[in-house]
Amino acid sequence: QVQLQESGPGLVKPSQTLSLTCTVSGGSISSGDYYWSWIRQPPGKGLEWIGYIYYSGSTYYNPSLKSRVTISVDTSKNQFSLKLSSVTAADTAVYYCARTILRNDAFDIWGQGTMVTVSS
Amino acid sequence: QSVLTQPPSVSGAPGQRVTISCTGSSSNIGAGYDVHWYQQLPGTAPKLLIYGNSNRPSGVPDRFSGSKSGTSASLAITGLQAEDEADYYCQSYDSSLSGLYVFGTGTKVTVL
Repeated sequence: QVQLQESGPGLVKPSQTLSLTCTVSGGSISSGDYYWSWIRQPPGKGLEWIGYIYYSGSTYYNPSLKSRVTISVDTSKNQFSLKLSSVTAADTAVYYCARTILRNDAFDIWGQGTMVTVSS
Repeated sequence: QSVLTQPPSVSGAPGQRVTISCTGSSSNIGAGYDVHWYQQLPGTAPKLLIYGNSNRPSGVPDRFSGSKSGTSASLAITGLQAEDEADYYCQSYDSSLSGLYVFGTGTKVTVL
């Protein structure tokens, strides 16, 4: 079955760029039935959707983060990536990648999540 | 920045029925967009529990059920079990500038 796995640095300095990659296994990221999303969860807090990408490269971002977010896709590697610039301590969170069903906007498969701490 | 409001916590004894509300507005639930529910066990990623307001993915026990009316939705757990102790989140689509996909504030379910 389809599995997602996040990877990337666990510690980022303030003002730098956070970079994460999600590797999709057991299925193709080029399936036209899904978007591929990033979601985050600060320690002890709720979930916040960051944005998604379609296999064609089309993106949509949360307006509150739009100026700092870039999501890209590499279909040859079956991966999609997140870049979040000018990070502060408020960006410290567990970052999840998730498959989003295009038909109904539900997140049906999630990665295990990766903790990213912003600190000098 | 959650635009969907849930009670912070609910509790019940084993075997009891508990419900979790999710209150939105005319730009999300009230606009007719589907509501989905997720269960997050301690230290794990969220898991899709209910999709499309009332549908259960394969493998989810029928003790879990969802409904939607007006600008609100509800998740019910009947026959509460110890392993149901977790955080639960609702999620929907929002057509305002709040963001495309919005989550509820989350509810901690405690099994007494």
